[in-house]
Amino acid sequence: AQSVSQHNHHVILSEAASLELGCNYSYGGTVNLFWYVQYPGQHLQLLLKYFSGDPLVKGIKGFEAEFIKSKFSFNLRKPSVQWSDTAEYFCAVKGSGGYQKVTFGIGTKLQVIP
Amino acid sequence: DTEVTQTPKHLVMGMTNKKSLKCEQHMGHRAMYWYKQKAKKPPELMFVYSYEKLSINESVPSRFSPECPNSSLLNLHLHALQPEDSALYLCASSPPSRVPGYTFGSGTRLTVV
Repeated sequence: AQSVSQHNHHVILSEAASLELGCNYSYGGTVNLFWYVQYPGQHLQLLLKYFSGDPLVKGIKGFEAEFIKSKFSFNLRKPSVQWSDTAEYFCAVKGSGGYQKVTFGIGTKLQVIP
Repeated sequence: DTEVTQTPKHLVMGMTNKKSLKCEQHMGHRAMYWYKQKAKKPPELMFVYSYEKLSINESVPSRFSPECPNSSLLNLHLHALQPEDSALYLCASSPPSRVPGYTFGSGTRLTVV
């Protein structure tokens, strides 16, 4: 069974600080990996995804993530956060074969203080 | 068209009501999914349809009844729901394996009173 572990449940940063959110997954095969963001009261939005190729993936709003296969990790980074980045961030994994479900991590609530 | 469209966006229903949620995509995806997201929790899978056939039911109560009338449409029929069923219901779709494109809709926020 696939699973996702997000280490930081609540992160508080000042504006302009750098961000790194940890994500580790468990799956016995080739994976697709995602980071989603959910702003308060809104729906899921895809930040970035990894399917194959370059393990450093760039997404929207200046976010990037690095897939490290040996560590089963897919950490999300942003060099300088803004107040508007305040949201819940979900890491997710899906097996690459067939019609498989996406399994989400528990989420990390990011609060950026002006 | 690269979107999954869900209607309605908001729904309030009583415990004796019957209502339906609708999901539509025109990307040619042959798998469609229903997820449920409670407040401050990650989405959880409910159902998977593959080529219009139900392939996964994650032990969902029978008061939720999915239907896939064609390759572009996915419905979720609701009957005799409980207040604890109040949640954001998300639809998603995906193309065949090894092809990127797993896409979520914006969801229907359901309140059961």
